[in-house]
Amino acid sequence: ETGVTQTPRHLVMGMTNKKSLKCEQHLGHNAMYWYKQSAKKPLELMFVYNFKEQTENNSVPSRFSPECPNSSHLFLHLHTLQPEDSALYLCASSQVFSLGGGQETQYFGPGTRLLVL
Amino acid sequence: KQEVTQIPAALSVPEGENLVLNCSFTDSAIYNLQWFRQDPGKGLTSLLLIQSSQREQTSGRLNASLDKSSGRSTLYIAASQPGDSATYLCAITQGGSEKLVFGKGMKLTVNP
Repeated sequence: ETGVTQTPRHLVMGMTNKKSLKCEQHLGHNAMYWYKQSAKKPLELMFVYNFKEQTENNSVPSRFSPECPNSSHLFLHLHTLQPEDSALYLCASSQVFSLGGGQETQYFGPGTRLLVL
Repeated sequence: KQEVTQIPAALSVPEGENLVLNCSFTDSAIYNLQWFRQDPGKGLTSLLLIQSSQREQTSGRLNASLDKSSGRSTLYIAASQPGDSATYLCAITQGGSEKLVFGKGMKLTVNP
C-alpha cells in the first residue's frame, strides 16, 4: 500500500460529460503530481502542486483543470474530452517539489483508467 | 530535450535466469536516475534511485548501475522469479527539479 489513493479506478465518459478524478495522499507530503500514461507512450507529467500552489503545467489543454484545495487532496476536473485523452491517469506525491531537487522519491497511486467515447 | 529509451519493450524468460534491463538517455546532465516497477492495475513503486555521483545501488536481488558518460543504466535482476513479472520503467531527474522524464518501460514476464 503506497499511501496514495485514487478514485474512481475506472471511468467511462462521453465527450460532452464533465467528471472529476480524485487523489488523496496520507503521507504528510507537500507536493502532488498528475501524470498521463497512454498506450505506447512514456509517462507524461501534467501538473505539479507544491504547498497547494501550481508550479508546473506541462502545456496541458484547458479541458483538463486541476485543483488542489489542501496538501492532501488533488483533483483533476475533466470536460469535453477527446477520445485521444483515454489513458491511465496517475497521481503521485513527494515531500516537496524543489528546484534544487532530485532528492525526493515520488509515491504513486494506482491510477484511474479513463475511456472517452 | 532529454529522451529516455528502454529496449526491448518486452521480455519473456524462464524462472531462475539472471536478467539485465537496459535504459539509455540522451543528455548526460542528470541529477539522478530511478528504476520503477509497475504492476497491472497498480501505480509505480520506486525500486532503486542512483544519484548522479554514484555508480550503482543494490537492494536485495536488484542492482542498478549508472554510466553517465555513455548515457546508460542497467537494472540487474538475479535469479528471476515469477513474482518479478511487471513493467519496469526508468526515469531521469534533471534540471535541478523533481520532474521525472520516463522511458516507455519494459514488460517482463518470468515463466515458472
